[in-house]
Amino acid sequence: GENVEQHPSTLSVQEGDSAVIKCTYSDSASNYFPWYKQELGKRPQLIIDIRSNVGEKKDQRIAVTLNKTAKHFSLHITETQPEDSAVYFCAASRGGTSYGKLTFGQGTILTVHP
Amino acid sequence: NAGVTQTPKFQVLKTGQSMTLQCAQDMNHEYMSWYRQDPGMGLRLIHYSVGAGITDQGEVPNGYNVSRSTTEDFPLRLLSAAPSQTSVYFCASRGQKGTQYFGPGTRLTVL
Repeated sequence: GENVEQHPSTLSVQEGDSAVIKCTYSDSASNYFPWYKQELGKRPQLIIDIRSNVGEKKDQRIAVTLNKTAKHFSLHITETQPEDSAVYFCAASRGGTSYGKLTFGQGTILTVHP
Repeated sequence: NAGVTQTPKFQVLKTGQSMTLQCAQDMNHEYMSWYRQDPGMGLRLIHYSVGAGITDQGEVPNGYNVSRSTTEDFPLRLLSAAPSQTSVYFCASRGQKGTQYFGPGTRLTVL
């Protein structure tokens, strides 16, 4: 089955700095890669996703890059703000009948210091 | 739209008891799934469904049963609760090529 590794496990930055979280996956058939943000005691919320036919996707201060050859994808947050502090999870899935079957990384605790 | 709803929000069980965690969605999504979240381990897939009448096992299915008799509902049954099943349980649903939405979670403690 799929295995997703996520690094780093904790990340501390100053407000205004950039933050980068990296994930690698093992299943070359995976073609959908979402990123979730989870605040303490809350449910995971999708912040951005990318499909295998795209190399990069941006949404305001958040971007995701995908390297299918190397089987890794990364989340980039620019101009970080204290409200970006949360746990971030990457995930991967195949298409077809496995479409809703996500395999998650272990999570990154991001702390943005004012 | 209520989205994905889960009941109860909190539950305490004794070892050996059984119970059902309820999950419902009103978005007519085909795909529904159950995850458990333990500290430092991310979310792990328990069971999965691609439509009414069709279920499949995920990464950690032992000790849990599911059924999907309607598109809307996907209950998770704990057959004989064990302390190792203490966790936060999230139900999720997803439509074709859409976002996966999570429910608010059920925090389960097994004594």
